[in-house]
Amino acid sequence: QSVLTQPPSVSGAPGQRVTISCTGSSSNLGAGYDVHWYQQLPGTAPKLLIYDNNNRPSGVPDRFSGSKSGTSASLAITGLQAEDEADYFCQSYDTRLSGSQVFGGGTKLTVL
Amino acid sequence: QVQLVQSGAEVKKPGASVKVSCKASGYGFTSYDINWVRQATGQGLEWMGWMNPKSGNTGYAQKFQGRVTMTRNTSINTAYMELSSLRSEDTAVYYCARVSAIYCTGGACHGGLFDPWGQGTLVTVSS
Repeated sequence: QSVLTQPPSVSGAPGQRVTISCTGSSSNLGAGYDVHWYQQLPGTAPKLLIYDNNNRPSGVPDRFSGSKSGTSASLAITGLQAEDEADYFCQSYDTRLSGSQVFGGGTKLTVL
Repeated sequence: QVQLVQSGAEVKKPGASVKVSCKASGYGFTSYDINWVRQATGQGLEWMGWMNPKSGNTGYAQKFQGRVTMTRNTSINTAYMELSSLRSEDTAVYYCARVSAIYCTGGACHGGLFDPWGQGTLVTVSS
């Protein structure tokens, strides 16, 4: 059971918009800690996709965006492309256990 | 460029230990924490702990306390993660990642984003 809750899967047709939710609690997202998102393509290591709730690292297309409010966060992908098919994970910090980083269970995005 | 390169795949018997290395390049090794994360096949990411290469201080997830040891050799910019008393459930890909710890209290800093990640090391535990 992951500390951050994500839907196991989402899907969309090319060109469509999809969102992936990440729900936490008062000890992580609700305490004001930032959320970060990672994309994991099949057979590769995770890669930073969105940091500090809504910032894109250099090289990440602006089709990817993030938001956070209270104990929840969302990743939105617009203009869906076949190469976006991957696993997506949210991550934050939790105060319940000192120094503890926490991840969501991951969401598999299928491009139909 | 900033890069973390991990050691190769390992096959271990139950009860044995494994030590995975993570060599950093392209940045000041002692300026960022190294965290370790593992991923069983088809499963999510599981955080194992952190190490500050400058001080050698560590913090481990409760699940791994007593079984995991994170160390470093600053002369060769390399971090290590050793997991003992291996069991079949420890079969997974183990990743190291650079973390800029940003939440500071009492002189210790924690949290932050993971970037970059090492390429991963597959550890298989089988009799």
